[in-house]
Amino acid sequence: AQTVTQSQPEMSVQEAETVTLSCTYDTSESDYYLFWYKQPPSRQMILVIRQEAYKQQNATENRFSVNFQKAAKSFSLKISDSQLGDAAMYFCAYRSGNTGNQFYFGTGTSLTVIP
Amino acid sequence: NAGVTQTPKFRILKIGQSMTLQCTQDMNHNYMYWYRQDPGMGLKLIYYSVGAGITDKGEVPNGYNVSRSTTEDFPLRLELAAPSQTSVYFCASSLGPLNTEAFFGQGTRLTVV
Repeated sequence: AQTVTQSQPEMSVQEAETVTLSCTYDTSESDYYLFWYKQPPSRQMILVIRQEAYKQQNATENRFSVNFQKAAKSFSLKISDSQLGDAAMYFCAYRSGNTGNQFYFGTGTSLTVIP
Repeated sequence: NAGVTQTPKFRILKIGQSMTLQCTQDMNHNYMYWYRQDPGMGLKLIYYSVGAGITDKGEVPNGYNVSRSTTEDFPLRLELAAPSQTSVYFCASSLGPLNTEAFFGQGTRLTVV
């Protein structure tokens, strides 16, 4: 089974500032997909951003961007201009490019946004 | 757009009771999943299905059963509930393998007392 590690159980950021959430993963595969999901207090899991391992360019979605370092097996999420609505639990996830049957999730990072 | 619908949203069971968590999706997705979420543990895969009639165990299948008779439905059965099954359960689906993301239901908070 693949391992996804989020080493920051909790993070906080001032409103309008930038924060980076860390994620590392362990795999021997060269083809895979990575995702960041947001889980607000409502419990709903919402896709934030995804990255294909074969793409060198880092994915961006408005205020959200990733720093994908394939050699280091690192996939961090940067949130710019943080807003109160960004407060949530964030999960990093891995999906194999070979079988693709499962998503493997990290343990999550709880983000607090300070007004 | 309904997406993935789970019922119930909350449930309290007594030890030894059984129940079925319902999950249905209207996106014609082939892949469906059941995860449980425990505090500090992330999401653990219980069972998954790659199509009607096909199911397979995930990381934590003990105490659970599933079936997939149609593309839309993927119920999760708990037999002889135990306190260790107290958790939040999520059903999810994806169109296919590889880079398609998973879409999640709103979760079921289950307490076994």
